[in-house]
Amino acid sequence: EVQLVESGGGLVQPGGSLRLSCAASGFTFSTYWMSWVRQAPGKGLEWVANIKQDGSDKYYVDSVKGRFTMSRDNARNSLYLQMNSLRAEDTAVYYCVRLGHSNGRYFDLWGRGTLVTVSS
Amino acid sequence: QSALTQPASVSGSPGQSITISCTGTTSDLGSYNLVSWYQQHPGKAPKLMIYEDTERPSGVSNRFSGSKSGNTASLTISGLQAEDEADYYCCSYAGAGIWVFGGGTKLTVL
Repeated sequence: EVQLVESGGGLVQPGGSLRLSCAASGFTFSTYWMSWVRQAPGKGLEWVANIKQDGSDKYYVDSVKGRFTMSRDNARNSLYLQMNSLRAEDTAVYYCVRLGHSNGRYFDLWGRGTLVTVSS
Repeated sequence: QSALTQPASVSGSPGQSITISCTGTTSDLGSYNLVSWYQQHPGKAPKLMIYEDTERPSGVSNRFSGSKSGNTASLTISGLQAEDEADYYCCSYAGAGIWVFGGGTKLTVL
């Protein structure tokens, strides 16, 4: 079955760190751009970061630059998001998303998401 | 990296057609043929409905169609059905590896 399964969410204090993971299955993970998209409670979708197939290119939304680091392990079919210096406004469901087409032109496969709550 | 502009809500009766607009700028939506639309039911992950402005993925009903003119993209749903009630988000590439979503539109089927 083609799917993405996120893990690693939870409750963390402001200033703390958390590492999200995403396990991909059912497709050739190494041939796709991958992304993290988040959704704050009751709010809309916000693109967070993208990573190229070989990990050589990464892009981030301004609000997480310098705090979040996206990485991937193609041998393990896994995607990661290291989140440091977390803030209350980072509270959201984080979705692992595959980008369709070799050039990453749209978000065609979504995981179910993992909830990150930043609160004291 | 400003969000694209969508109406907060639209509504229609079963069988009718509705259109959701998505307005961007010449830096994002107006510069690339990379607008996509997503449907999200409560508590569920988003689902791709339209990509590359007008293309429909296999398995998506042909009642859903996309268009674009200048800095505004549109999603039209014809023959409204109860199961179409959901939140809809547009998204566009904004250059330099950046993507931007719209604020979302809640569709109510009356």
